[in-house]
Amino acid sequence: IAGITQAPTSQILAAGRRMTLRCTQDMRHNAMYWYRQDLGLGLRLIHYSNTAGTTGKGEVPDGYSVSRANTDDFPLTLASAVPSQTSVYFCASSDARGTEAFFGQGTRLTVV
Amino acid sequence: GENVEQHPSTLSVQEGDSAVIKCTYSDSASNYFPWYKQELGKGPQLIIDIRSNVGEKKDQRIAVTLNKTAKHFSLHITETQPEDSAVYFCAASTPGAGSYQLTFGKGTKLSVIP
Repeated sequence: IAGITQAPTSQILAAGRRMTLRCTQDMRHNAMYWYRQDLGLGLRLIHYSNTAGTTGKGEVPDGYSVSRANTDDFPLTLASAVPSQTSVYFCASSDARGTEAFFGQGTRLTVV
Repeated sequence: GENVEQHPSTLSVQEGDSAVIKCTYSDSASNYFPWYKQELGKGPQLIIDIRSNVGEKKDQRIAVTLNKTAKHFSLHITETQPEDSAVYFCAASTPGAGSYQLTFGKGTKLSVIP
């Protein structure tokens, strides 16, 4: 089934630990995005990638890094997790023509 | 950067009534305005979108209107059903080099009372 797959579904992480959230899409979309969703704040863009090999900062990039080695994968890394990074993280993708952005099912991350 | 305001934050309607959610945006360069529905435990899913060269778009029970001059757009759901209960997000997008980064409103929790 075509779409976006995120892993893990949920994770409890000790503060200070390193964590990589995985995102894979099979729609051959050029653009991919990472959002975090917090109650009352909606979805906020963390990082984006217009195409393989390029990345850019969104609204809330501090504490996060991304890479885009190929079209399909767009991992998000927390180098040293802090409790304020407790959130639900969504990966999304869209094609360069600006049509629908498809979202994954999300990763619920709790930093304790 | 773009700023999107969404109202109301919560909305309760009787089944069969209409629901209206309103959003305003700040960047006059924005030209794509999607609406997403998010059910509990799931990712947002596009329900309708509109581009800046169109004033209104309909898809069965849902419609979106856009007023570029006033920089606001609205979602209208008619004949609401219990399965319409969800959180709805508006978004605005300013075209960039090869991608359409979405700025979201904070969401509206819609409850349809049977």
